[in-house]
Amino acid sequence: EPEVTQTPSHQVTQMGQEVILRCVPISNHLYFYWYRQILGQKVEFLVSFYNNEISEKSEIFDDQFSVERPDGSNFTLKIRSTKLEDSAMYFCASSERGGGEKLFFGSGTQLSVL
Amino acid sequence: AQSVTQLDSQVPVFEEAPVELRCNYSSSVSVYLFWYVQYPNQGLQLLLKYLSGSTLVESINGFEAEFNKSQTSFHLRKPSVHISDTAEYFCAVRSGSSGDKLTFGTGTRLAVRP
Repeated sequence: EPEVTQTPSHQVTQMGQEVILRCVPISNHLYFYWYRQILGQKVEFLVSFYNNEISEKSEIFDDQFSVERPDGSNFTLKIRSTKLEDSAMYFCASSERGGGEKLFFGSGTQLSVL
Repeated sequence: AQSVTQLDSQVPVFEEAPVELRCNYSSSVSVYLFWYVQYPNQGLQLLLKYLSGSTLVESINGFEAEFNKSQTSFHLRKPSVHISDTAEYFCAVRSGSSGDKLTFGTGTRLAVRP
């Protein structure tokens, strides 16, 4: 079965550094998402992306965050200047149709900001 | 605003016993409800969903959930669990006004023991 792949599985960075989390969605999917889960807390929506632009974003997704689909296959999340509170598991997801009906999630990138 | 509550962070159960994982939601408008499952070292996978129609929905591996509007619940049940059902289970809601955004609960860890 096709799957969403995320790299790296673990990322450790120093506070203030930039990080890029990478995702390869399922090839025929058109809708892309980032979610995150801080340890012990809920999985939170960050952003949705369709037709090469952000379609919706949460309050968490401030100016420090950006997303890009640079080459038609990758979907990246960049955090410009990481903070301690950005430490979380970041999940990429994609779906064939909108409406959040059937999202396929990657296995996540555990980001640790020191 | 919509929210999801999963009161049980962990549910230990013996193999072949029945199980119920509880999920309650709040939303002021019509809702779509989902259960996602996360097996160790994997991404979240859609288990089942309620969009409309019959309030009882089933998955292919024996789980079922019933949408109860009056109790604002979408509890997940299985009459007889297997060791392989050990995983984290997430309830999620999308309202008619929230676009593609899913709001997740904190998850329930189902631990099936022999």
